[in-house]
Amino acid sequence: AQTVTQSQPEMSVQEAETVTLSCTYDTSENNYYLFWYKQPPSRQMILVIRQEAYKQQNATENRFSVNFQKAAKSFSLKISDSQLGDTAMYFCAFMNQGGKLIFGQGTELSVKP
Amino acid sequence: EADIYQTPRYLVIGTGKKITLECSQTMGHDKMYWYQQDPGMELHLIHYSYGVNSTEKGDLSSESTVSRIRTEHFPLTLESARPSHTSQYLCASSQDTGHNEKLFFGSGTQLSVL
Repeated sequence: AQTVTQSQPEMSVQEAETVTLSCTYDTSENNYYLFWYKQPPSRQMILVIRQEAYKQQNATENRFSVNFQKAAKSFSLKISDSQLGDTAMYFCAFMNQGGKLIFGQGTELSVKP
Repeated sequence: EADIYQTPRYLVIGTGKKITLECSQTMGHDKMYWYQQDPGMELHLIHYSYGVNSTEKGDLSSESTVSRIRTEHFPLTLESARPSHTSQYLCASSQDTGHNEKLFFGSGTQLSVL
């Protein structure tokens, strides 16, 4: 069975500092997609960053970047220069070739002024 | 950018009522999904569809049903609502273009069954 694990239920960071959220997954497939989603208090899910497993280069979107370690099945999210608006739940997700999307348990991130 | 709509945004209803949660997308996506989420908890896939007349149950058993008669529309129905159905329901869609799989989520429907 494919699973996604986020081992940090809660994290906090000072404004302007850097924080890394962890995510590991388990699959026997070779081609798949990985995502980080942000869910602010409004509850709407927002795509933060996406990584294709066949790409070795780590994805980057402005202040957000990932450390994708395929062999270790690890997909961590790094947020640089944290802002108050980054406060939210963050979900790591795995999508297999068939399109089935599986989410982790979520990490609640608090950015403190 | 995201053109996926869910209505209603909030719904409070009594036990035993039949309800339908609407989800529509204007992007022509083939794949659509329904997720259920309790406060502070992970999302659970309850239904998905890969196209018209295609529906499958997800990982979490649900008493709800779905239909996909049109590409843009993926409603979820509860024949007889119960307090245990109280939750947030998130609809999503995606289009597999081979190398550009991207999901869009709706704003969600917060359902409260009294």
